[in-house]
Amino acid sequence: QTVVTQEPSLTVSPGGTVTLTCGFSTGAVLSGSSPNWFQLKPGQTPKSLIYRTSNRHSWTPARFSGALLGDKAALTLSGVQPEDEADYYCLLAQGGAWVFGGGTKLTVL
Amino acid sequence: QMQLVQSGPEVKKPGTSVKVSCKASGLTFSNPVVQWVRQVRGQRLEWIGWIVVGSGDTVYAQKFQGRITFSRDMSMSAVYMEVSSLTSEDTATYYCASEGLGIWHFWGQGTLVVVSS
Repeated sequence: QTVVTQEPSLTVSPGGTVTLTCGFSTGAVLSGSSPNWFQLKPGQTPKSLIYRTSNRHSWTPARFSGALLGDKAALTLSGVQPEDEADYYCLLAQGGAWVFGGGTKLTVL
Repeated sequence: QMQLVQSGPEVKKPGTSVKVSCKASGLTFSNPVVQWVRQVRGQRLEWIGWIVVGSGDTVYAQKFQGRITFSRDMSMSAVYMEVSSLTSEDTATYYCASEGLGIWHFWGQGTLVVVSS
């Protein structure tokens, strides 16, 4: 069974930059995996941030960017704000199914 | 923008079934697919499957095949997820989300299902 891996936790200072990664246990993440990224905050509805690797939704702040870095998908937050503290999940397509990563708990400190 | 509104929390006995609804705030779903996801408290998001709103075609994650059924009511702009043979391990928040061409858009607010004797 394919596993999607993410850093369990990361800490960043306000105004700093942090990169979260998302990888397949079985090989490289390609653009065809259609990486999506989501933000989850306690008690709130999940928010879609990035689709198809690097595309922002109309509501996604410009400080969020997505890309492929090496064999992984990556989400970079530049100029981190305190309100960016949340859990972030990536989602990859594989063979008609979707697989979520384990999530990254981002602390802004 | 479209909103997805889900039905309220449920408390169910083990062995019973639960049916969760997901309704589009407008007249129709603006994206062709509704995905279903769950999150057991403290654990990762888990993909359950999807339903194509127009055709009713469905795909289920292997883990849930045979125990979960998606359906839709076009006149109500609603899709449904029914989970049968509930166990305590099904206690989770269930979400619907709209998707099209690999783009996940809007999410419902989530429905907490508690399975307890």
